[in-house]
Amino acid sequence: DAGVTQSPTHLIKTRGQQVTLRCSPKSGHDTVSWYQQALGQGPQFIFQYYEEEERQRGNFPDRFSGHQFPNYSSELNVNALLLGDSALYLCASSRTGNQPQHFGDGTRLSIL
Amino acid sequence: QQQVKQSPQSLIVQKGGIPIINCAYENTAFDYFPWYQQFPGKGPALLIAIRPDVSEKKEGRFTISFNKSAKQFSLHIMDSQPGDSATYFCAAKEETSGSRLTFGEGTQLTVNP
Repeated sequence: DAGVTQSPTHLIKTRGQQVTLRCSPKSGHDTVSWYQQALGQGPQFIFQYYEEEERQRGNFPDRFSGHQFPNYSSELNVNALLLGDSALYLCASSRTGNQPQHFGDGTRLSIL
Repeated sequence: QQQVKQSPQSLIVQKGGIPIINCAYENTAFDYFPWYQQFPGKGPALLIAIRPDVSEKKEGRFTISFNKSAKQFSLHIMDSQPGDSATYFCAAKEETSGSRLTFGEGTQLTVNP
């Protein structure tokens, strides 16, 4: 039973570019959340997707957007990349109904 | 606004010791408090979680103590092992308001042999 899988593992971009990160939830999970984890910090909630709609959003600018597909997989898009966007981006999935969240191993994004 | 404060930032113990990590929260609407363990290059893994209707929960060598009036909770690791060396995060969530977890800053634990 595969857990949460994220791709790519690492990514290097330059300022101003756009990036798309991908997440496949754990089997049986229908809710996906995205977090940003800066080096040496705890994860910060970006947003949650359920039934292909954004349901909850953290304190992140509109440059951060997402999508959920009918198979529950999800994408995180970041436009106009800034140096400060360098971080580990984590995807977490769960079943609806306040079930525990399971995290993937993240995508390490570096902005030059 | 930092809503979950975690301490200490780092902790070193000898094998067999009992490291204790503390967290304090501000939002009284929080009603679910998980602890996550993270190894380098890996995502956080859920260790144990508690809800405010109990004051203590044990799972294997991990124990959460919860003090609702003080708005504090802590993680105790019994008989710690070098393999427990990792970063530990406390978190909190309002169960009725979606998936949003609010994390503490993390504690880097080192267990020496």
